Amino acid sequence: NAGVTQTPKFRVLKTGQSMTLLCAQDMNHEYMYWYRQDPGMGLRLIHYSVGEGTTAKGEVPDGYNVSRLKKQNFLLGLESAAPSQTSVYFCASSLGGTGANVLTFGAGSRLTVL
Amino acid sequence: GEDVEQSLFLSVREGDSSVINCTYTDSSSTYLYWYKQEPGAGLQLLTYIFSNMDMKQDQRLTVLLNKKDKHLSLRIADTQTGDSAIYFCASRGRGSTLGRLYFGRGTQLTVWP
Repeated sequence: NAGVTQTPKFRVLKTGQSMTLLCAQDMNHEYMYWYRQDPGMGLRLIHYSVGEGTTAKGEVPDGYNVSRLKKQNFLLGLESAAPSQTSVYFCASSLGGTGANVLTFGAGSRLTVL
Repeated sequence: GEDVEQSLFLSVREGDSSVINCTYTDSSSTYLYWYKQEPGAGLQLLTYIFSNMDMKQDQRLTVLLNKKDKHLSLRIADTQTGDSAIYFCASRGRGSTLGRLYFGRGTQLTVWP
């Protein structure tokens, strides 16, 4: 079982460049999330989706866009990268609903913006 | 939104017990979780507890929940060097954003041989 797969694992960008991070899950999960992790800040939710075709803003959505065109994929886009977006990005997915809603995380994508 | 607080660092000697503490603000939290993150990896679920429970035990792990004080703890018995990692507390609240978890900043556990 692949679980949650993130690509790429590492990327270096110059300020102003754009890029897309791809998250794919093979567990038929309804909910998907993008978090960023910065030292001493824990995990902060950027955007999330509660189903195919839906997206919603989290705590720190500015500078990012997302799309959920297929249930298994959740894309995170940076239109014009800034040094403040240097971080480790984690995608997660879950069944959703009113139960425990356990999140399964990917291995992370480390992004550096110069 | 919910605030989840935990201390940033904990050091213990191998073989001792570790206790990681967490407090949260949302009294309507339904589930509370502990995740573990090893260096260079994503988060993995360790255990979770439903809000109507006081305690949950799973092998070396014991979770205690005090709803009155909104306090959650994770006890690791016979701590090993392989337990060195960052441990995140998280809560799931009620409300319109079903499924959303709120994470603490993580506690870096260091186990000395």
